[in-house]
Amino acid sequence: DAGVIQSPRHEVTEMGQEVTLRCKLISGHNSLFWYRQTMMRGLELLIYFNNNVPIDDSGMPEDRFSAKMPNASFSTLKIQPSEPRDSAVYFCASRVSTATDTQYFGPGTRLTVL
Amino acid sequence: GENVEQHPSTLSVQEGDSAVIKCTYSDSASNYFPWYKQELGKGPQLIIDIRSNVGEKKDQRIAVTLNKTAKHFSLHITETQPEDSAVYFCAASSPSSASKIIFGSGTRLSIRP
Repeated sequence: DAGVIQSPRHEVTEMGQEVTLRCKLISGHNSLFWYRQTMMRGLELLIYFNNNVPIDDSGMPEDRFSAKMPNASFSTLKIQPSEPRDSAVYFCASRVSTATDTQYFGPGTRLTVL
Repeated sequence: GENVEQHPSTLSVQEGDSAVIKCTYSDSASNYFPWYKQELGKGPQLIIDIRSNVGEKKDQRIAVTLNKTAKHFSLHITETQPEDSAVYFCAASSPSSASKIIFGSGTRLSIRP
């Protein structure tokens, strides 16, 4: 299995631009988590989905952030408009939503907003 | 909600010595405690986990202990090697949090040759 796939791996954009991060789950997994990692705040859970349904989005910073799961294997995290304080590494992780709680992380997208 | 505290934030040990990282959690209902290792430029990867019905678990050079009464859990790495250098995160999850995993702040472990 290829594991969780994220794209792009690096993104540099200017303030005010729209940014879309993408994530492909591991085949057979049905829970999807988006995290943000910064030096100051560590690993923060932004939102998670179970069977394509958003379960908890309390970690989404503000309305500029939105996440979708258009199908069972794919998710996007969109920031519009982006701001310099959004600069961070964004990870998605997937999990089989049964008795196990093990989350498998992707390699991350390093976002820099100038 | 759950709060996980992790110490120390940085740890440097001589190659071959042991390293210990400690965490505490606040939600007594937490029942799953994974440990993740994050190497530079990569996502966190699960290295070992323990559930609340077990007090200790070992996998080769890595062991985890859990004290439910004190709400403490620890990671022990013996015979450390250069490839153990990384950031380690503890985490906790409880049914009341809909199985969200709450991460500690991380420990940067450096192995001195």
